[in-house]
Amino acid sequence: QVQLVESGGGVVQPGGSLRLSCAVSGFIFINYGMHWVRQTPGKGLEWVALMSFDGTEKKYSESVKGRFTISRDNSKNTLYLEMNSLRPEDTANYFCAKALHKTSWSLDYWGQGTLVIVSS
Amino acid sequence: DIVMTQTPLSLSVTPGQPASISCKSSQSLLYSDGKTYLYWYLQQPGQPPQLLIDEVSNRFFGVPDRFSGSGSGTDFTLKISRVEAEDIGVYYCMQSMHLPTFGQGTKLEIK
Repeated sequence: QVQLVESGGGVVQPGGSLRLSCAVSGFIFINYGMHWVRQTPGKGLEWVALMSFDGTEKKYSESVKGRFTISRDNSKNTLYLEMNSLRPEDTANYFCAKALHKTSWSLDYWGQGTLVIVSS
Repeated sequence: DIVMTQTPLSLSVTPGQPASISCKSSQSLLYSDGKTYLYWYLQQPGQPPQLLIDEVSNRFFGVPDRFSGSGSGTDFTLKISRVEAEDIGVYYCMQSMHLPTFGQGTKLEIK
């Protein structure tokens, strides 16, 4: 079955950096785009970034553009999110999610998430 | 960004009764390919969101047929024909006509 497992979350000071990972299994990773979505504790969902199946297309939300970088290693079936210049408002549970279709911007399966806390 | 607005924000339903959630988008979600990029998700307590409905009305794998989606353009509805206890959680609509945006969520509780 499809599985996505995020890791790399933790507590970091404002201005700091973190790298999140998402290890996937149960589907052919190279055939699907991938997303990061975050959820502030007790609040709603905010899409963060997407990367196409072949890595040629990357998109970011305005709130993270220029600070976050999405990448993937198809040989390791792993998606990454490099987060720099972190701010308190970046505190959230970060989910990775699989695209519904090869070139789709919609999402079907999600991981359990990894919590990022930005605080001094 | 396309703004997604859900109503109501909370819903309390007796088991066996129907439920309905509305989602309105700030612009049409009908793309030039003829598809409408509107999706519904359910986030059960302590779990990640799970896809229920894709492209307005298609139930995803394993989704019970008591869930149905309808609508067009900017107005969409998720209906549960007979609510069960396992349906509790927060329901989100999402568009992917442009970069994805979500509605605020509708919390469903059981009376």
